[in-house]
Amino acid sequence: GESVGLHLPTLSVQEGDNSIINCAYSNSASDYFIWYKQESGKGPQFIIDIRSNMDKRQGQRVTVLLNKTVKHLSLQIAATQPGDSAVYFCAEKGGSNYKLTFGKGTLLTVNP
Amino acid sequence: ETGVTQSPTHLIKTRGQQVTLRCSSQSGHNTVSWYQQALGQGPQFIFQYYREEENGRGNFPPRFSGLQFPNYSSELNVNALELDDSALYLCASSLVPSRGETQYFGPGTRLLVL
Repeated sequence: GESVGLHLPTLSVQEGDNSIINCAYSNSASDYFIWYKQESGKGPQFIIDIRSNMDKRQGQRVTVLLNKTVKHLSLQIAATQPGDSAVYFCAEKGGSNYKLTFGKGTLLTVNP
Repeated sequence: ETGVTQSPTHLIKTRGQQVTLRCSSQSGHNTVSWYQQALGQGPQFIFQYYREEENGRGNFPPRFSGLQFPNYSSELNVNALELDDSALYLCASSLVPSRGETQYFGPGTRLLVL
């Protein structure tokens, strides 16, 4: 069945370092991927997305890389700040036009 | 532009009761999706509404039902509440239900079933 998983459940970094959060997906029909940030007590906040016809997309301080060969997605955060501390989810769409499938999430902690 | 809003923010019910949660979509968005997020887990898709019709459903029993209104706001109804229904219920809206459309989430309703 479809699944989206993460390699690391927790990640702790120093302020100013770069962070990399990884995600594996198993549905080869997936063609749209989104990274969300969820702070405690809040709903998921859109960070960046990427379509399957791309392998890299950059935003402000964030970059998403997509490797369809190994079904792997990563989120890179440059110069990580304490405000980046949150749970990060990758989500995918594929096979339907309505449903997002989420992984369990990675908790990112930024130490000052 | 107004984001996705949900009400109430918190709710406590007992087993067997019924609950109604409400969502207002982001301005200009006609598609609303509902998700259940258990503690420590990622959101799980419940169903989606588009133009007042159910447009897709996840693996949830029929006691989870919904509505969408002409102004695109939506309700999630859960009958015969069970303890395992305790979770954060998230509403997300999108411009249209196409595969490449981003879904934007509201703050959620925290439901506790005792």
